Amino acid sequence: RKEVEQDPGPFNVPEGATVAFNCTYSNSASQSFFWYRQDCRKEPKLLMSVYSSGNEDGRFTAQLNRASQYISLLIRDSKLSDSATYLCVVNPMDSNYQLIWGAGTKLIIKP
Amino acid sequence: DVKVTQSSRYLVKRTGEKVFLECVQDMDHENMFWYRQDPGLGLRLIYFSYDVKMKEKGDIPEGYSVSREKKERFSLILESASTNQTSMYLCASSPPTIEAFFGQGTRLTVV
Repeated sequence: RKEVEQDPGPFNVPEGATVAFNCTYSNSASQSFFWYRQDCRKEPKLLMSVYSSGNEDGRFTAQLNRASQYISLLIRDSKLSDSATYLCVVNPMDSNYQLIWGAGTKLIIKP
Repeated sequence: DVKVTQSSRYLVKRTGEKVFLECVQDMDHENMFWYRQDPGLGLRLIYFSYDVKMKEKGDIPEGYSVSREKKERFSLILESASTNQTSMYLCASSPPTIEAFFGQGTRLTVV
């Protein structure tokens, strides 16, 4: 089993719809979680951190479920510009500064 | 704005060549990383450095070495390039809070 797993997609979603995807992690001691966004042929950029209590940033909501060991990202009222690959990142905190990256979920928003 | 700059966007090298990939950051970050990204595999850590002249192996260090003589610069060296090192190489830097800032990436093709 991979340490961090994501559905590769692509998720094809009409503009304006709500879409959610999950990321599972294997190390139950993991402490920090992040969602990054990567546009085609560009570098990853931090979208949001994921806190235990969940957090929201505009149309984006991130949740952490420790019992089931997954994090989720919900995008409401999706825009064409949301089309990208979303990378889940976990810091297991048992090694020095090492982040574990998921392979990403590709999202395509259609007009 | 944090700026992480990689010396080349695209490189084509021959098998057996020694290849240098340079990365410079302007935010005085302690930590710097080299990743490679391949389809379906996500980002895999090659090496990281948490201080000048300090380096630690990541998950896939074989065939690579690194150099960090100055805090702002972290170089990745392919000692003898092989075709299986064709990939996208991403440099990142981070402060101790571990959010990673990436360079624009170098797409290396070894022929």
